[in-house]
Amino acid sequence: KNEVEQSPQNLTAQEGEFITINCSYSVGISALHWLQQHPGGGIVSLFMLSSGKKKHGRLIATINIQEKHSSLHITASHPRDSAVYICAALPPNTDKLIFGTGTRLQVFP
Amino acid sequence: EPEVTQTPSHQVTQMGQEVILRCVPISNHLYFYWYRQILGQKVEFLVSFYNNEISEKSEIFDDQFSVERPDGSNFTLKIRSTKLEDSAMYFCASSVVEQYFGPGTRLTVT
Repeated sequence: KNEVEQSPQNLTAQEGEFITINCSYSVGISALHWLQQHPGGGIVSLFMLSSGKKKHGRLIATINIQEKHSSLHITASHPRDSAVYICAALPPNTDKLIFGTGTRLQVFP
Repeated sequence: EPEVTQTPSHQVTQMGQEVILRCVPISNHLYFYWYRQILGQKVEFLVSFYNNEISEKSEIFDDQFSVERPDGSNFTLKIRSTKLEDSAMYFCASSVVEQYFGPGTRLTVT
């Protein structure tokens, strides 16, 4: 069983829709990262969070430490949001990020 | 905005050859990392580096691999005697707290 699981694996949306991507992890963590991987392969860090909620523009990330679950929400989705979104868990006292397999999002006009 | 850069963007090499992948981390960052992503698979941690030495490495990071910070700006990953299965995207990252990733080097071993 993977230590970091994401759902769904693939997601298709119409422009303007509200998007939710889920991440569940089985390890204890000191932080959880949400990353965006563009079609060309480059990775951009979106959020690092250890509790509560963070917001940046149309993106919102939440985490529930007790339930070992995090969500990434995209409001008013746009075709340029099309990418792979990756959740990565950082256990305590280590540098080893544990990555999920990613959620491939396609937003159509 | 400062960013992590990597060169080359694509490297093709023959099996058995040595390659050096280069990274320029963000200038005030203290921690440096290399990751690998085989096509179609998830990203995997290779190694972390702090204060001029390896702080952690994964089981993937065997004697075939080495890292170096040869000067104040560059951070390199050397892969000796490359194998077909070393073909992957290699990402460098740097951090003070949050990690910032470079655009990656696509390594193709033929």
